Amino acid sequence: NAGVTQTPKFRILKIGQSMTLQCTQDMNHNYMYWYRQDPGMGLKLIYYSVGAGITDKGEVPNGYNVSRSTTEDFPLRLELAAPSQTSVYFCASSRLPSSGAYEQYFGPGTRLTVT
Amino acid sequence: QQQVKQSPQSLIVQKGGISIINCAYENTAFDYFPWYQQFPGKGPALLIAIRPDVSEKKEGRFTISFNKSAKQFSLHIMDSQPGDSATYFCAAKKAGSARQLTFGSGTQLTVLP
Repeated sequence: NAGVTQTPKFRILKIGQSMTLQCTQDMNHNYMYWYRQDPGMGLKLIYYSVGAGITDKGEVPNGYNVSRSTTEDFPLRLELAAPSQTSVYFCASSRLPSSGAYEQYFGPGTRLTVT
Repeated sequence: QQQVKQSPQSLIVQKGGISIINCAYENTAFDYFPWYQQFPGKGPALLIAIRPDVSEKKEGRFTISFNKSAKQFSLHIMDSQPGDSATYFCAAKKAGSARQLTFGSGTQLTVLP
């Protein structure tokens, strides 16, 4: 049981390039999330999904796209990378509610630098 | 708009001391308040959580105190240890939401040996 895995761990992009951050979970969780973490700013929700084929915007979705074709995978796409997207990106997942269980399980993160 | 305000930004405590981190919120629709712990290079992990119908929850050396009328909650770490050195985030979830969490800005805790 690997939990939530993210690839790559590190990436340097040039301005205007595109890339996809991969996220996979093996816990059969319905809910998945993408956050970005900037120094001193906490975690901001980019997009989330409540199941395969269903996605919705979070607090900071501009410049990103997502898809959810399977329960396990939730890739995050960056189009036309900008320096403002330099950040650490975390993917997380959680199960359906059961007795108030709302825990989110986080992956190890992807550190992205756009120069 | 920062819906969950966390303080202090950093905290240094001697081994064996008590660490206290505070959070305040404004949205009365929040119905779940977790604390996450994050070690360098790792993703956050759930430490302890509380619902607003409870004023205190304790798990080992970690205690959440919740004041619904003041819209504040805090994390107390008793007998702090160097292994507790990490960044701590408070968070809140809106009732009826798809479990989206609103996070505080984080507190970097250093426990000196």
